[in-house]
Amino acid sequence: KQEVTQIPAALSVPEGENLVLNCSFTDSAIYNLQWFRQDPGKGLTSLLLIQSSQREQTSGRLNASLDKSSGRSTLYIAASQPGDSATYLCASMEYGNKLVFGAGTILRVKS
Amino acid sequence: DAGVTQSPTHLIKTRGQQVTLRCSPKSGHDTVSWYQQALGQGPQFIFQYYEEEERQRGNFPDRFSGHQFPNYSSELNVNALLLGDSALYLCASSLVTSGRGETQYFGPGTRLLVL
Repeated sequence: KQEVTQIPAALSVPEGENLVLNCSFTDSAIYNLQWFRQDPGKGLTSLLLIQSSQREQTSGRLNASLDKSSGRSTLYIAASQPGDSATYLCASMEYGNKLVFGAGTILRVKS
Repeated sequence: DAGVTQSPTHLIKTRGQQVTLRCSPKSGHDTVSWYQQALGQGPQFIFQYYEEEERQRGNFPDRFSGHQFPNYSSELNVNALLLGDSALYLCASSLVTSGRGETQYFGPGTRLLVL
């Protein structure tokens, strides 16, 4: 059974700082690894999707990497802004489009 | 192009009652998945519907059931509600192509409170 763990559970940084969020998974037989953003009480917004054959994906200030052999993914956020404050969730996709989520990292960027 | 929509946005029920939540997928999508997100936790997979049939199911009791209609919209039904069913219920849609991991688009969710 796949288990996804995210570290840290919460993070508070000053505006402008670069930061890294970590995600680990126990079963490397995944189709892809996705990072989502969730604002309080809202649904999920997809940020980046890395296919199992890829090593990283970039979108603007966001960069996500995937190392299947070690069961790890990282989300790098450059030059953080207060608007980046949210919960960040990683999820591994298994056969049949089933997502297994971590508990998330709550990010607060202080102005 | 409308994204995934869910109704209602909020719902309050009492223990033992039954509830129906609704989801309309993103235009062109044929697969709907339902997730339960308890406070402070990540979403957990309930089940997935494709071609009007349940294709996969997570570790949820039979009190949780669903349906998919010919227009690909879906309903989630929960019977005999328990306090622990209080959560944000998320619907996600996707288009089955290769079956090797398509992007899922999530709706805003329905917040269910069981008293």
